[in-house]
Amino acid sequence: GQNIDQPTEMTATEGAIVQINCTYQTSGFNGLFWYQQHAGEAPTFLSYNVLDGLEEKGRFSSFLSRSKGYSYLLLKELQMKDSASYLCAVRDQGNYQLIWGAGTKLIIKP
Amino acid sequence: DGGITQSPKYLFRKEGQNVTLSCEQNLNHDAMYWYRQDPGQGLRLIYYSQIVNDFQKGDIAEGYSVSREKKESFPLTVTSAQKNPTAFYLCASSRRDSSSYEQYFGPGTRLTVT
Repeated sequence: GQNIDQPTEMTATEGAIVQINCTYQTSGFNGLFWYQQHAGEAPTFLSYNVLDGLEEKGRFSSFLSRSKGYSYLLLKELQMKDSASYLCAVRDQGNYQLIWGAGTKLIIKP
Repeated sequence: DGGITQSPKYLFRKEGQNVTLSCEQNLNHDAMYWYRQDPGQGLRLIYYSQIVNDFQKGDIAEGYSVSREKKESFPLTVTSAQKNPTAFYLCASSRRDSSSYEQYFGPGTRLTVT
């Protein structure tokens, strides 16, 4: 079956670094996305990985290992505005549908 | 500014009534999607459309209907047959010609049925 796992909730301190993991088991793989969603708002795109390795974009980086079915989102220099849910989604092979994890709620404390 | 609009932001209905949620985009995207989001669950796909006048059922299409008469518009009707319609509904769009293109989301409509 298709399955994406993320921790339900994480807590971190302002200014610190946090890593949010995502593991997936899907019938096919055509890329992995990370989105940020503030409470009651729309998800917004953060990153896309289709090849193994690390993609860096400012304070946010995303890593993918296709052989392990594993990705992580790394957030550096945490700010209070980073308090949000972070959603991992995998694009299935051969179509444009995304399979979504339940999201990780990140709480930033001063 | 290009983007996706959904209206209204909050919607209240009585059980047994059909209700239509609007979704409009001016991004010139071919593909459009409707998702449902419930607490503690990932986004679940209701319907999607890759091109005008064509759409496919997603994982939870029962009790919902859509139309795609124009490229810009993809309205969702929640019918009285949907057993648990109270949820946050998100509309999204994307380009169709590459798997790397992300989906852009509208602000969502929170539907409450009592």
